[in-house]
Amino acid sequence: QVQLQESGPGLVKPSETLSLTCAVSGYSIRSAYYWGWIRQPPGKGLEWIGSIYHSGSTYYNPSLKSRVTMSVDTSKYQFSLNLSSVTAADTAVYYCARSKPVGWYFDYWGLGTLVTVSS
Amino acid sequence: QSVLTQPPSVSGAPGQRVTISCTGRNSNIGGGYDVHWYQQLPGTAPKLLIYANSNRPSGVPDRFSGSKSGTSASLAITGLQAEDEADYYCQSYDSSLSGPLFGGGTKLTVL
Repeated sequence: QVQLQESGPGLVKPSETLSLTCAVSGYSIRSAYYWGWIRQPPGKGLEWIGSIYHSGSTYYNPSLKSRVTMSVDTSKYQFSLNLSSVTAADTAVYYCARSKPVGWYFDYWGLGTLVTVSS
Repeated sequence: QSVLTQPPSVSGAPGQRVTISCTGRNSNIGGGYDVHWYQQLPGTAPKLLIYANSNRPSGVPDRFSGSKSGTSASLAITGLQAEDEADYYCQSYDSSLSGPLFGGGTKLTVL
């Protein structure tokens, strides 16, 4: 059974960098899937942030591309998200999820972690 | 504002049938890209409900079905149950985004 678990600070100051890690278990991170991040501001809908392949190839939402960096560590079975220069608008529940390269649907999700941007 | 348009809310009585629409553009649904649907129960992560327009993952009841035509797609729920009360999101690939795009979500209320 594929399991994903997000971890990282729950509170980040404005202008700083949000950093999250997603640990993958029950399935090889080196398999032919994309590993992605999706966020959901309180009371709002879902927004794709970006996805990464085990080779390190990345795909970012153009609206966030200038602030997003994703990386993967196959030896630790985890991938990470860095979002720089955060503002209150970046306050959201952040989910990591697995998606098929064909169709881009997310079949396994983490539980999500709430990140609040506040001084 | 999402370019995959869903009604903000729908409702139905137990046992009834409801449908949720998802309208896109030529850069996504109309471009031949598949549509997927997710169910998000209160306080939980989204769960894949329908993939590739009409396919159900293992464990999803056959009360849930999906269809696609032109630039739109629909999710139908028959035999509505109280446990179906949740937010539902459609999703497709968008060539302008070069990535996945979600609809704005629809809140289903079981009366």
